[in-house]
Amino acid sequence: NAGVMQNPRHLVRRRGQEARLRCSPMKGHSHVYWYRQLPEEGLKFMVYLQKENIIDESGMPKERFSAEFPKEGPSILRIQQVVRGDSAAYFCASSELSPRGAPNTGELFFGEGSRLTVL
Amino acid sequence: KQEVTQIPAALSVPEGENLVLNCSFTDSAIYNLQWFRQDPGKGLTSLLLIQSSQREQTSGRLNASLDKSSGRSTLYIAASQPGDSATYLCAVNSYGQNFVFGPGTRLSVLP
Repeated sequence: NAGVMQNPRHLVRRRGQEARLRCSPMKGHSHVYWYRQLPEEGLKFMVYLQKENIIDESGMPKERFSAEFPKEGPSILRIQQVVRGDSAAYFCASSELSPRGAPNTGELFFGEGSRLTVL
Repeated sequence: KQEVTQIPAALSVPEGENLVLNCSFTDSAIYNLQWFRQDPGKGLTSLLLIQSSQREQTSGRLNASLDKSSGRSTLYIAASQPGDSATYLCAVNSYGQNFVFGPGTRLSVLP
């Protein structure tokens, strides 16, 4: 059972370009989360998605950032017109069960992350 | 809004010592709490998940406890090894919120 797969592992973009980060959850998982980690800082929640639905995007900047999790294919985190402050590690996690459901909710599993560098 | 803190921020111990890492959270209405390990430049590896109805979980040399009423969890590592050197993060899953992470404890085990 493959784990959470993220690609690319490393991405370099110039200011103003677009960055697309992809995440394939673990098999059987229908809940996907994106987190951002700045150097020497903790993990900050960005967005929580289920298939074809954004459940909570309260941690995602209103401009330039968008996320989707289509019926088929991986989840995509898209950053338009990147700026140097977007340089960070972006982690995707998945779980089998809803984190807001009944007790005994699911365990989070993380990918290796995508490290974005904006020149 | 849930807030999670971890102390100490960094810890350095000689090999073989038993050690305790602490995690505190402000809202006791939680579903579960999960401990992770993160190596430099890597993703997070799940260590232990404690459901709200449980008091502790064990895996090998690791033991995690949960006291919801006081808003605390501890991760106990027995007989530490250099390979345990990493950053340890706790994450709390609360009602109506997503997993909130603490800032982590950076552990160095010296040979």
